Amino acid sequence: GESVGLHLPTLSVQEGDNSIINCAYSNSASDYFIWYKQESGKGPQFIIDIRSNMDKRQGQRVTVLLNKTVKHLSLQIAATQPGDSAVYFCAEQAYPGSARQLTFGSGTQLTVLP
Amino acid sequence: GAVVSQHPSWVICKSGTSVKIECRSLDFQATTMFWYRQFPKQSLMLMATSNEGSKATYEQGVEKDKFLINHASLTLSTLTVTSAHPEDSSFYICSARRQGGSEQYFGPGTRLTVT
Repeated sequence: GESVGLHLPTLSVQEGDNSIINCAYSNSASDYFIWYKQESGKGPQFIIDIRSNMDKRQGQRVTVLLNKTVKHLSLQIAATQPGDSAVYFCAEQAYPGSARQLTFGSGTQLTVLP
Repeated sequence: GAVVSQHPSWVICKSGTSVKIECRSLDFQATTMFWYRQFPKQSLMLMATSNEGSKATYEQGVEKDKFLINHASLTLSTLTVTSAHPEDSSFYICSARRQGGSEQYFGPGTRLTVT
C-alpha cells in the first residue's frame, strides 16, 4: 500500500527578503556540519559547511551559524531569489572524512513568493 | 570537477524483477561510495557504505541480500534491487568521496517505480 510521508516544515518568503532555516542536531560528538539544497527530482547540492571550532561561516549570499551549546544550526540566505526555492537539509558528521556517515535532518521546504 | 552520475535516471519495473542502478564518479577516484534512499517528502536515509574492493557495510534494517552493492572500481558502484516489490519504489541517490576527502558529492538520483 501507499506509505504516508511526513510533511516537511515549510518556509515561505518574499523575493528579496532574507531567509533563515533552522536545524537541531542531536549528536554532541558531531564535528562537521553541512547544508544541502535539493530541488525536486534531483540529488542534494552542497551549499556550505562548518566545523565545530567555528560559530559562523559565510559564503556567497549564505551564512551558516552554529551554536554548539544548544546543538543548533541555521542557514541564512540573503536576498532570496526564486531559484532558491527547494528543500534544504542540514547534515552532521563525526569529523570531516569520517567513516561515519552523514546523518541528514528532516529538511525544510523553502518557497520564494514573487 | 567532482561530478557524479547515475544511470538510469528513472526506471519502471515489474514486481519480482531485479533492477541495477549505476553510480559513477566522472572526474575523480572515489574510494568510498554511499547509497541513500529517499521517500517522498522525507529525508535521505543511508542504506550502505561501500569501499572500493571490499564488501559494503549495510545500515541496520537494510537487507544485504535484497540490495546488492558492488564497488569494483574507483569510479563505479552499482546497486541491484533484487526481487523488487512496490514498497521498494523510491528515489535512490548515491554519493562519492575521494580518498582522504571530506566532502560527499551526490549523484542526481534514480527514481524507481515498481508496478
